[in-house]
Amino acid sequence: GQQLNQSPQSMFIQEGEDVSMNCTSSSIFNTWLWYKQDPGEGPVLLIALYKAGELTSNGRLTAQFGITRKDSFLNISASIPSDVGIYFCAGNTGNQFYFGTGTSLTVIP
Amino acid sequence: NAGVTQTPKFQVLKTGQSMTLQCAQDMNHNSMYWYRQDPGMGLRLIYYSASEGTTDKGEVPNGYNVSRLNKREFSLRLESAAPSQTSVYFCASSGRRGSLQETQYFGPGTRLLVL
Repeated sequence: GQQLNQSPQSMFIQEGEDVSMNCTSSSIFNTWLWYKQDPGEGPVLLIALYKAGELTSNGRLTAQFGITRKDSFLNISASIPSDVGIYFCAGNTGNQFYFGTGTSLTVIP
Repeated sequence: NAGVTQTPKFQVLKTGQSMTLQCAQDMNHNSMYWYRQDPGMGLRLIYYSASEGTTDKGEVPNGYNVSRLNKREFSLRLESAAPSQTSVYFCASSGRRGSLQETQYFGPGTRLLVL
């Protein structure tokens, strides 16, 4: 199945730093979704984006739906230790969802 | 709202045994999905159901069957478990916003070990 190109694959950052990750696709999507997955848990939806150019915030998280509808980014500001986990993007077209390979985030106190 | 719930949380099977993974959602979503997640492979779609009464194969359907019992429930059955089916299984449901957009929510997962 199609997978989205997500980068970076992993990040090690100091507490308090900002984080940025992005996803790109060769296909156009109607929806972009960003999830966080903690070890042993299911993915939790962080932000949903529905319109090209849309910029949406959820607390310290900000995500944007790219103008071309083929990309999206997620920023986390002022990282804290509980931000640790795997973040991944998903794009939707029709009934199908396509997933990024994930960005593993480690926050060093 | 419980969202998406799955049972059991953990299961150990011997090769050849059968079992059914249960999933339910209380968000009145039309579409439901079963994925498996393996290290280095990401999420792979096993089966999905776009609406009550319909099911379709995903990327990796072999060795599995599904039943969309009603709008709320979507079960995944392993008729004869194999070690290659050791994985974490996630159920998800999605709701439509507008004419095109879907938002998907996941359950907590079932961790399956086949010996």
